[in-house]
Amino acid sequence: QKEVEQDPGPLSVPEGAIVSLNCTYSNSAFQYFMWYRQYSRKGPELLMYTYSSGNKEDGRFTAQVDKSSKYISLFIRDSQPSDSATYLCAMSALGGGSEKLVFGKGTKLTVNP
Amino acid sequence: GAVVSQHPSRVICKSGTSVKIECRSLDFQATTMFWYRQFPKQSLMLMATSNEGSKATYEQGVEKDKFLINHASLTLSTLTVTSAHPEDSSFYICSARDPRVMSYEQYFGPGTRLTVT
Repeated sequence: QKEVEQDPGPLSVPEGAIVSLNCTYSNSAFQYFMWYRQYSRKGPELLMYTYSSGNKEDGRFTAQVDKSSKYISLFIRDSQPSDSATYLCAMSALGGGSEKLVFGKGTKLTVNP
Repeated sequence: GAVVSQHPSRVICKSGTSVKIECRSLDFQATTMFWYRQFPKQSLMLMATSNEGSKATYEQGVEKDKFLINHASLTLSTLTVTSAHPEDSSFYICSARDPRVMSYEQYFGPGTRLTVT
């Protein structure tokens, strides 16, 4: 079993839809959870960052972490064509300054006008 | 947010030659930088962790003699792909941590697409 599993999609939705992106993981030591957005042929850009369990909201984006189920989600409300990109979940086990991030494969999202 | 740049953005080289990729933190000093490789439709795979002034830590399965990493200053890390072969063709991305930020965010560069012919 891979440490982080993410459905690669592709996912296609109409403009204005609510998008749900998910990752599961197997390493119970993961404490830090991140979502990155990556446009084609570009480096990833940090969207959301969550420590431990709970919800975090930032504008149209909401990140949820359920450590008991080893499941994390990213919700995008009122999706826009500009949200079309690949979304990568990433996780890290501990601090100390040299944290290793483990990434999911990424889910390719297309929002159609 | 912190800005990381990479140069070149794209490079084509012949099999057997070496290629150097630069990663710079533009507005902060990065004590730790990371090098990733990403194949099409695949996730980012960490190759090595680079700490300023010391030897890089390579992930299992990554040949340190083939992928030479130098982190000579707090704003520059370089990755040299030596004796490149077509299977080394990939998207190479660096990232850096900003030590001023009390979190574990990594700021990514725009990536370098390497094609070995």
